Amino acid sequence: ILNVEQSPQSLHVQEGDSTNFTCSFPSSNFYALHWYRWETAKSPEALFVMTLNGDEKKKGRISATLNTKEGYSYLYIKGSQPEDSATYLCAFDEGSGNTGKLIFGQGTTLQVKP
Amino acid sequence: DSGVTQTPKHLITATGQRVTLRCSPRSGDLSVYWYQQSLDQGLQFLIQYYNGEERAKGNILERFSAQQFPDLHSELNLSSLELGDSALYFCASSEGLPPYNEQFFGPGTRLTVL
Repeated sequence: ILNVEQSPQSLHVQEGDSTNFTCSFPSSNFYALHWYRWETAKSPEALFVMTLNGDEKKKGRISATLNTKEGYSYLYIKGSQPEDSATYLCAFDEGSGNTGKLIFGQGTTLQVKP
Repeated sequence: DSGVTQTPKHLITATGQRVTLRCSPRSGDLSVYWYQQSLDQGLQFLIQYYNGEERAKGNILERFSAQQFPDLHSELNLSSLELGDSALYFCASSEGLPPYNEQFFGPGTRLTVL
């Protein structure tokens, strides 16, 4: 059974703080690593799809890095804002190519206090 | 709004019944995925279709079945419902074949089995 672990489970920060979370995944048979943001009462929204070791992606104040050899990815949020409050999910594509079967972690729930 | 639509939004039914959940992918997307979100579990992959053909299966129960029609909409059929089938069911779509395409999630159907 493939496991995708995320830590911490939850995080409370003050507005303006920078923060980061970790996603650990199996380092063998890597195809892609997805990051999603899931706000309460909404549906998951794609942030990044990462495919190459050493990949770094950025979208505004949010960025992510990928290390496929050791099986982890970091998501960074610079200068957190209340609107960043959400659950951040990572998902590992473990399929033998072209299957799209994503294994999701349990998520890191971020609460940003004004 | 991701462009993926799901109906109905809420569904309340009794044990032993059968229901059909419907999903329309984003315009032009050929891949459709179904996920289940239970209270005590993260997002679980159920099944994926690409252009009408089944591509990948997750831990989908035999009581559950799905199909993708020529117009690319998809239906998830759940039969002999049990209390434990109560969950949020998401449909997602992507443009082409995984693993490099981000998945766009619909708003979900909340199923309550009484």
